Amino acid sequence: AQTIHQWPVAEIKAVGSPLSLGCTIKGKSSPNLYWYWQATGGTLQQLFYSITVGQVESVVQLNLSASRPKDDQFILSTEKLLLSHSGFYLCAWSSTGANTEVFFGKGTRLTVV
Amino acid sequence: GEQVEQRPPHLSVREGDSAVITCTYTDPNSYYFFWYKQEPGASLQLLMKVFSSTEINEGQGFTVLLNKKDKRLSLNLTAAHPGDSAAYFCAERGNTRKLIFGLGTTLQVQP
Repeated sequence: AQTIHQWPVAEIKAVGSPLSLGCTIKGKSSPNLYWYWQATGGTLQQLFYSITVGQVESVVQLNLSASRPKDDQFILSTEKLLLSHSGFYLCAWSSTGANTEVFFGKGTRLTVV
Repeated sequence: GEQVEQRPPHLSVREGDSAVITCTYTDPNSYYFFWYKQEPGASLQLLMKVFSSTEINEGQGFTVLLNKKDKRLSLNLTAAHPGDSAAYFCAERGNTRKLIFGLGTTLQVQP
């Protein structure tokens, strides 16, 4: 069975500080990987997706970047946090093909102060 | 661009009542639809995947209807119970890797 693990569970960070969030998928070879952001009480916004190692497509520019250093790992980062970065970050995966469902990790709650 | 309108934003029903959440979409090339449930503070749980070829989809305690002519997708909880209290999101995807979400519906089921 596939498992998706996100870290950390929660972070409180200062404005202007760097950020790195991680995600690992086990039990699935060459998954499509995604990062989503959810403002408190809001809907989900897709930030990035990746179909293969080393290749990441940006969907929305929020002064964030993503990388896929390994087949099973997806990293979201920024060098300088803004207050508007606060929210719930969800990593997700799917098999290849548009008809496949997307499965979400447990998320990281980020508070920028 | 593609849009998904979800209604209502908030819904409160009594235990045993039905609850209906509706999404309308604009992309005529939408083929795949999804319903997710999000309990407070938690991640998203997939309730159902719907293909455009299937108009009626039965789940455990709920039915999903797809009206392609009107571009409308609905989630019908037949007899809601307090454990159904959560946020519900519809999502659609055409032949792209972008999943478009509705704004969500917060359902409260009162005992």
